[in-house]
Amino acid sequence: AQTVTQSQPEMSVQEAETVTLSCTYDTSENNYYLFWYKQPPSRQMILVIRQEAYKQQNATENRFSVNFQKAAKSFSLKISDSQLGDTAMYFCAFMKWGGSEKLVFGKGTKLTVNP
Amino acid sequence: SAVISQKPSRDICQRGTSLTIQCQVDSQVTMMFWYRQQPGQSLTLIATANQGSEATYESGFVIDKFPISRPNLTFSTLTVSNMSPEDSSIYLCSVEDLKWNYGYTFGSGTRLTVV
Repeated sequence: AQTVTQSQPEMSVQEAETVTLSCTYDTSENNYYLFWYKQPPSRQMILVIRQEAYKQQNATENRFSVNFQKAAKSFSLKISDSQLGDTAMYFCAFMKWGGSEKLVFGKGTKLTVNP
Repeated sequence: SAVISQKPSRDICQRGTSLTIQCQVDSQVTMMFWYRQQPGQSLTLIATANQGSEATYESGFVIDKFPISRPNLTFSTLTVSNMSPEDSSIYLCSVEDLKWNYGYTFGSGTRLTVV
């Protein structure tokens, strides 16, 4: 079974600074997807970024980028130029290759961006 | 991406009663997933609902407690039966969004409080 570990229950950052959230996972699969989801107080789960395991290039989406280390089974999220609206819970998630599979979530990191 | 309408957004229920949560998707989807998020916790999959067949439940979840209907490709319901305070959680539905290859979209969640 796959497991996802987020070792930072809470983090804080000053507005406009950069912060990195950590995620490690355990799997015997060779092909899979990794995701970062954001959950603000509204409860809505919002996809931040996605990485396919077969791709060596790290995914980026505007201010969000990942550092994907497949051999180390590490998938960290870097948020640049942090904004107050980035304040939320961030969940790392794993999905087996092929689609129509469940997401396995980590316990989450609560990020607070301070003005 | 797909748009999911989830109802109700919140409810306070008496123990021993049941609540049915609905999810309506604006496009046809094969699989729908139901997750539970206990207070301060991560998301845990309850079951996967495929149209025209019985839902598949994860370990620790049973059909008598969480019956699911999936009458067509755009709609599903989850019932939380014979509720106790331990059922107080956020319940979310999710679909595989075929417009965005192997992405998953979530409903806005139902915050359930059992008193």
